[in-house]
Amino acid sequence: EAQVTQNPRYLITVTGKKLTVTCSQNMNHEYMSWYRQDPGLGLRQIYYSMNVEVTDKGDVPEGYKVSRKEKRNFPLILESPSPNQTSLYFCASSLSRARGFYGYTFGSGTRLTVV
Amino acid sequence: GQQVMQIPQYQHVQEGEDFTTYCNSSTTLSNIQWYKQRPGGHPVFLIQLVKSGEVKKQKRLTFQFGEAKKNSSLHITATQTTDVGTYFCAGPGGGADGLTFGKGTHLIIQP
Repeated sequence: EAQVTQNPRYLITVTGKKLTVTCSQNMNHEYMSWYRQDPGLGLRQIYYSMNVEVTDKGDVPEGYKVSRKEKRNFPLILESPSPNQTSLYFCASSLSRARGFYGYTFGSGTRLTVV
Repeated sequence: GQQVMQIPQYQHVQEGEDFTTYCNSSTTLSNIQWYKQRPGGHPVFLIQLVKSGEVKKQKRLTFQFGEAKKNSSLHITATQTTDVGTYFCAGPGGGADGLTFGKGTHLIIQP
């Protein structure tokens, strides 16, 4: 089944403790992206990747890192989480960005709480 | 950067009534996409509109792209309880690549 898999689904952590949220897709998509969803603010893009080893900042990149060493994986790293990073995070992938816009396939989401 | 405004924020309807959400951009969009997010779920891609004046239908859902490619609408005829959720429009981003999402319209259906 074509899908984007995120782990974990739920995570409670303490301020300053490094964490990684994994994202993997099995559709051979070139484009991957991370969004955070907050009440009243909607979906905001954190980072995106056009292809392997090509990543760039979205609208709200502060406090986050990403890497794209393989086409299928696009982990989101919080080096020193803070309470304002408490949010619902979605990974999304799409066939390509360079060749035009295609619909995104979203993962099931990761609800992160930083205390 | 690119902003996509969506109204209304909330819409309460009785089951069987129609529902419409509107999406507006200050700039011309090359395309617009629509997504649905069920409560507790993730956004699911519904459709993409590309051409000026384009109208597409999916069963009870009708999607329109304005002639100037600055606005779009989603209309649901005779809502059912399965239509509950948040409907987002999304257009090409401004400063960053990828999609910029509207804040969504929450559809609440009263049986």
